Amino acid sequence: NAGVMQNPRHLVRRRGQEARLRCSPMKGHSHVYWYRQLPEEGLKFMVYLQKENIIDESGMPKERFSAEFPKEGPSILRIQQVVRGDSAAYFCASSQTTMTEAFFGQGTRLTVV
Amino acid sequence: KQEVTQIPAALSVPEGENLVLNCSFTDSAIYNLQWFRQDPGKGLTSLLLIQSSQREQTSGRLNASLDKSSGRSTLYIAASQPGDSATYLCAVGDQGAQKLVFGQGTRLTINP
Repeated sequence: NAGVMQNPRHLVRRRGQEARLRCSPMKGHSHVYWYRQLPEEGLKFMVYLQKENIIDESGMPKERFSAEFPKEGPSILRIQQVVRGDSAAYFCASSQTTMTEAFFGQGTRLTVV
Repeated sequence: KQEVTQIPAALSVPEGENLVLNCSFTDSAIYNLQWFRQDPGKGLTSLLLIQSSQREQTSGRLNASLDKSSGRSTLYIAASQPGDSATYLCAVGDQGAQKLVFGQGTRLTINP
C-alpha cells in the first residue's frame, strides 16, 4: 500500500506563472488536507477536501489559490500568478476518517524566482 | 482559536539519555493529538496518535501522554540514539474543525 504521493517533489516557477501541485491519497482514504510550511515557520492548515467537495478552506489565501479533489484522479492545489512569498513546502495529508491518523506525503517544495 | 506550543524549541543530549518533549494547547476540546517526526527537507512521519478519550500511547521506545484538562501532552523517548535526531512536531486535531493545528516543533539532536 503506497503512502501519500505528491508530485513534483521540487517545482521552480517564475513570478507570474502558475503552479500545480498534485496529491494522491493513500488507498482507501477519502479525506485530503493541504498544509503549507513557510521557511522557519510551522505547518499551517490550508484546505480540507473530500471527493468533489471542499469541506473547509479557512486557511486558503483569498486570491490566487484554489484546490480540488475530483471524482477521479489526484487532488490538485493550484496557485495562479505566483509571487516570491509563495515559496514554501506544501504538504498533503490523507486519512480514512476525520478521527483517524493522518498520513503525510513527502511534500512539494515550490521555489518562485 | 487553538494554539499549540512546544517547549523546548531545541534540545541537544548525549546518546543513551531518556528525554521528554512537551506540547501544550489552549483549547481542551480536541479530537485527538498526533506526534510527528520531520527530518530536514523531508515529509512528516507519524509517530503516535492519541484519541481524546485516551491517556497515553506507546510504540517501541516512544511513549506519548495526553492530559486534556490541563492542555498538555508529553513525548517520552527512552534510550535515545543518534538516529532519533530530527524535528518533533505535536499537532492537535481540532474538534469540529477537522484539521490539525501544529506546534513549531522541537529540534532534537542526539550526540554520539
